[in-house]
Amino acid sequence: DAGITQSPRHKVTETGTPVTLRCHQTENHRYMYWYRQDPGHGLRLIHYSYGVKDTDKGEVSDGYSVSRSKTEDFLLTLESATSSQTSVYFCAISDRAGNEQFFGPGTRLTVL
Amino acid sequence: DQQVKQNSPSLSVQEGRISILNCDYTNSMFDYFLWYKKYPAEGPTFLISISSIKDKNEDGRFTVFLNKSAKHLSLHIVPSQPGDSAVYFCAASNSVSSGSARQLTFGSGTQLTVLP
Repeated sequence: DAGITQSPRHKVTETGTPVTLRCHQTENHRYMYWYRQDPGHGLRLIHYSYGVKDTDKGEVSDGYSVSRSKTEDFLLTLESATSSQTSVYFCAISDRAGNEQFFGPGTRLTVL
Repeated sequence: DQQVKQNSPSLSVQEGRISILNCDYTNSMFDYFLWYKKYPAEGPTFLISISSIKDKNEDGRFTVFLNKSAKHLSLHIVPSQPGDSAVYFCAASNSVSSGSARQLTFGSGTQLTVLP
C-alpha cells in the first residue's frame, strides 16, 4: 500500500468554525489531490497540487482552500464550515501525470 | 451534468458466476479509464485501467472493455468471489495544462454483492 495517512480520521465541528484536514505521504510523489465523496455523486475533485506551492482548483472548490509547503503534506482548509461540507474526504497521490492515483483512508467530517 | 455515469446502483451475482459492471461517459476528450474498488471505511483501491488506444485490458480475473464509439466501458469479473463484494467506481481522465496533472472524473459507483 502507498504510504498515505490522513488526519484526523473523524471530526465533528460546528457551522462557521475553521477546519483543516491533513494529508501526509511518504512516497515522494509529485501530485496530490483532495476529493469528497457524497452519496449519489461518487468522488469529486476539490483541489489538486502538481508540486510544492503549485495548486489548482477542481470541480467543487468553492469554500475550500489548500496549501502545500513541502512535498509530503497537502492541507485542505474549510475557512468557515457549512453543513453542506459534511462529507467523507479522501486524499490521493500519483507519481506521474496519467498514472493511477492511490488513495488515503479518508476523513469523515460532520458539520452541525 | 454527470460526465461519467454508472446507472446501476447495485448488482448481485452468485459466487463463481460472471459479474459485469457498466459505465458510460459523455466527454469525448477522455482518453484514460480506470476502475476502483472500495470497501466500507477504506479509501478506494486501484483495480485496472485502460487507455483509449486499446479496447481490452486483462489482469487475472478482471477484464475491462472499452467501446469508444458507444462511449461505454465495462468491467468483467470471472469468477466472482465473495471477497469481491464492494463498491466499484469507474473513472475517466484527460490531461490538463497545469503541470500536466490529470483530473479523474468518477461515476457514482455500483455496489456489487457476491452471494456464496
